[in-house]
Amino acid sequence: NAGVTQTPKFQVLKTGQSMTLQCAQDMNHEYMSWYRQDPGMGLRLIHYSVGAGITDQGEVPNGYNVSRSTTEDFPLRLLSAAPSQTSVYFCASSYSTPGQSGNQPQHFGDGTRLSIL
Amino acid sequence: DAKTTQPPSMDCAEGRAANLPCNHSTISGNEYVYWYRQIHSQGPQYIIHGLKNNETNEMASLIITEDRKSSTLILPHATLRDTAVYYCIVRVLGSSNTGKLIFGQGTTLQVKP
Repeated sequence: NAGVTQTPKFQVLKTGQSMTLQCAQDMNHEYMSWYRQDPGMGLRLIHYSVGAGITDQGEVPNGYNVSRSTTEDFPLRLLSAAPSQTSVYFCASSYSTPGQSGNQPQHFGDGTRLSIL
Repeated sequence: DAKTTQPPSMDCAEGRAANLPCNHSTISGNEYVYWYRQIHSQGPQYIIHGLKNNETNEMASLIITEDRKSSTLILPHATLRDTAVYYCIVRVLGSSNTGKLIFGQGTTLQVKP
């Protein structure tokens, strides 16, 4: 039972480079989301998806793109990395959108630690 | 979603019960109380949730006061591996929202041998 798998675990980029953070879940969860965690800021929601083909912005979406072509995968793309995007990124999933049609808890991956030089 | 207040840190002796309090005095009738924890360098981990009644699972017990304005997470026999930051979160069921979990500063629990 893999749960939520994030790759890579660590990455160093130069300013202006692009990359994709991968997130996959094997629980057939409809809802998936991306957070970033910075010291003193807690976890902030970047983007989320309530099902395949549907994505929407969270509270800090600028500089990030997402897509949801399958139920299992929810990649996060940095188009042109900036030092301000240095952070730990967490992907989470749940059976349904938290707060709607049930109170399903969210399952988190172990994060991707990203440094932008 | 209602605001929560937790003590910034607590200590607990290994093998003893750890009781982590949370104040949510503005909680609404349809808001659930959730607890997550984050062990260093790992993603947040779901522990337990409840609405009105006390709840128990294999990890912990959740005691919610009758007026629902506060709750306590109980780890019955704390181990060193329970050292983590514990987050109390309240959220409403049935609303149209992003599903965002609002993690406050949490309580850093240090289990000592």
